[in-house]
Amino acid sequence: DQQVKQNSPSLSVQEGRISILNCDYTNSMFDYFLWYKKYPAEGPTFLISISSIKDKNEDGRFTVFLNKSAKHLSLHIVPSQPGDSAVYFCAATSGNTPLVFGKGTRLSVIA
Amino acid sequence: DTGVSQNPRHKITKRGQNVTFRCDPISEHNRLYWYRQTLGQGPEFLTYFQNEAQLEKSRLLSDRFSAERPKGSFSTLEIQRTEQGDSAMYLCASSSSYSEQFFGPGTRLTVL
Repeated sequence: DQQVKQNSPSLSVQEGRISILNCDYTNSMFDYFLWYKKYPAEGPTFLISISSIKDKNEDGRFTVFLNKSAKHLSLHIVPSQPGDSAVYFCAATSGNTPLVFGKGTRLSVIA
Repeated sequence: DTGVSQNPRHKITKRGQNVTFRCDPISEHNRLYWYRQTLGQGPEFLTYFQNEAQLEKSRLLSDRFSAERPKGSFSTLEIQRTEQGDSAMYLCASSSSYSEQFFGPGTRLTVL
């Protein structure tokens, strides 16, 4: 039973355009959400997070939106750059529980 | 501090052998986590420590797996009598807050 779902295995976007990566969750106890980026042969790198008391968090080109009623979050990258090409994982936690990850979305930014 | 380090980066072993992996967390982090990642999946939680205490173990962690964190510093993950299904990337992460975790590069295990 997957508690965190990333339904798009892959996404291709042109350089300079917006990339939107989506994530759905089923556990209403989750109160903190994170996005990680992973290059091949490396561990995941923390990108941005959001608490359930907020609906938006922005850091440079990266913005995460949270819709608690829909149990949905999204990561927006604008403008997208070729170096953003990687696998992006959505993760969620509640209190002190370990992170629960989605399966990831492979983003390809085409120059 | 250069971040979380893991050794070895790659390990190839024959079925039935024992293997041990090491993780050195970021020095001021008191929490240390082990995850396993297989192809096409996200990282799956195995176990975690707060200082030297092992606080939680996933049902994925069979009796053949054991983890330690002596003195609350580095950690080791041992797999006894390896099976082909143990082939995966083993990731270590550490944190000082309850949520933001920093990952190491991982140890890729191949069981022949």
